[in-house]
Amino acid sequence: GQQLNQSPQSMFIQEGEDVSMNCTSSSIFNTWLWYKQDPGEGPVLLIALYKAGELTSNGRLTAQFGITRKDSFLNISASIPSDVGIYFCAGQPRHFYAGNNRKLIWGLGTSLAVNP
Amino acid sequence: AAGVIQSPRHLIKEKRETATLKCYPIPRHDTVYWYQQGPGQDPQFLISFYEKMQSDKGSIPDRFSAQQFSDYHSELNMSSLELGDSALYFCASSPRTARIISSYNEQFFGPGTRLTVL
Repeated sequence: GQQLNQSPQSMFIQEGEDVSMNCTSSSIFNTWLWYKQDPGEGPVLLIALYKAGELTSNGRLTAQFGITRKDSFLNISASIPSDVGIYFCAGQPRHFYAGNNRKLIWGLGTSLAVNP
Repeated sequence: AAGVIQSPRHLIKEKRETATLKCYPIPRHDTVYWYQQGPGQDPQFLISFYEKMQSDKGSIPDRFSAQQFSDYHSELNMSSLELGDSALYFCASSPRTARIISSYNEQFFGPGTRLTVL
């Protein structure tokens, strides 16, 4: 099925560094969502984006909905050890918004490791 | 705040047995989604329900079935279990009302059920 292109696949950084990851699609999206998943736990919604160009922050996290509506990025500033986990982007393509169909398309995730 | 509740959290079954996973969505959420996640993979969409009706179907095997009840909780029934069914199974829910329509796309996940088939 359809998949988002998420990069990088993994990152290993020092505590205090900034992190950036992004997702791209070949089609236009209506919604971009960013999730964080800890091992064995369910994904936790971090940020939701609804409009092209929208820039939204959640603490040290900032995400943007790309102007072309085909991409989004997530930045984490001043990383700390508890930022470790897998970050997923997910979104709803424009053509999916029909009635009750709200299925999301997912990226493969970015695995983040932080060295204290 | 109330979250999505899933039970059981862990389940061990033998091949060819059946299993039932339960999901209780966040109050006032009307849409439930089921996902399967293997090690190192992204969540794979199985099936969703809106107002107790199936709204979309993904890669759900014919051996699996699901339904949403009048109180909006949902159950995933899995029969003739295979070794390859071992995975984390997540339920997510979306709100019924929102400030803007796009908020319907926000899915809130439960803690998951880890199914191990021996």
